[in-house]
Amino acid sequence: EAQVTQNPRYLITVTGKKLTVTCSQNMNHEYMSWYRQDPGLGLRQIYYSMNVEVTDKGDVPEGYKVSRKEKRNFPLILESPSPNQTSLYFCASSPFPGQGYEQYFGPGTRLTVT
Amino acid sequence: AQSVAQPEDQVNVAEGNPLTVKCTYSVSGNPYLFWYVQYPNRGLQFLLKYITGDNLVKGSYGFEAEFNKSQTSFHLKKPSALVSDSALYFCAVRDTNNDMRFGAGTRLTVKP
Repeated sequence: EAQVTQNPRYLITVTGKKLTVTCSQNMNHEYMSWYRQDPGLGLRQIYYSMNVEVTDKGDVPEGYKVSRKEKRNFPLILESPSPNQTSLYFCASSPFPGQGYEQYFGPGTRLTVT
Repeated sequence: AQSVAQPEDQVNVAEGNPLTVKCTYSVSGNPYLFWYVQYPNRGLQFLLKYITGDNLVKGSYGFEAEFNKSQTSFHLKKPSALVSDSALYFCAVRDTNNDMRFGAGTRLTVKP
């Protein structure tokens, strides 16, 4: 089944404790992206990647890191999480953005930082 | 920079009635426009998109949307709402620089 998977689905952590949220897609998509969803703000893009070893900042990159060493994986790293990073996070992929392809979303990761 | 506005936080309709969820956008150049739906505890699912061509696009679950260039709008419509259509709906725009923007979302509630 074609899908985007994220792990973990739920995570409660403490301020400053480094964490990684994994994202993997099995559709051989070029483009991958991370979003955070907050009430009243919709989805805001954190980082995106056009291909392996190519990453770019989105609208809200502060406090986050990403890497794209393999085409299928795009982990999101929070080196020192803070309470304002409590949010719902989504990973997404698409064949290539420039052609107007829709994105396929993972199920989401609900992160709470205390 | 492009932007998307969904002017209604909440839309309530009765089952069987037509529904409209509004979206307006601002973008330089020709836009790619999308509608996604989010059910509780789920990721976003693609509904439909406008790239070029016919201004009326049809998508999944009986939804359709009309692209209106002069009004810079891309409203989502369905002729007859179902209770199961109740969800959070997002409009999104991508410009020719591949920057993607989502609206804040509209919660649709369909009452029996």
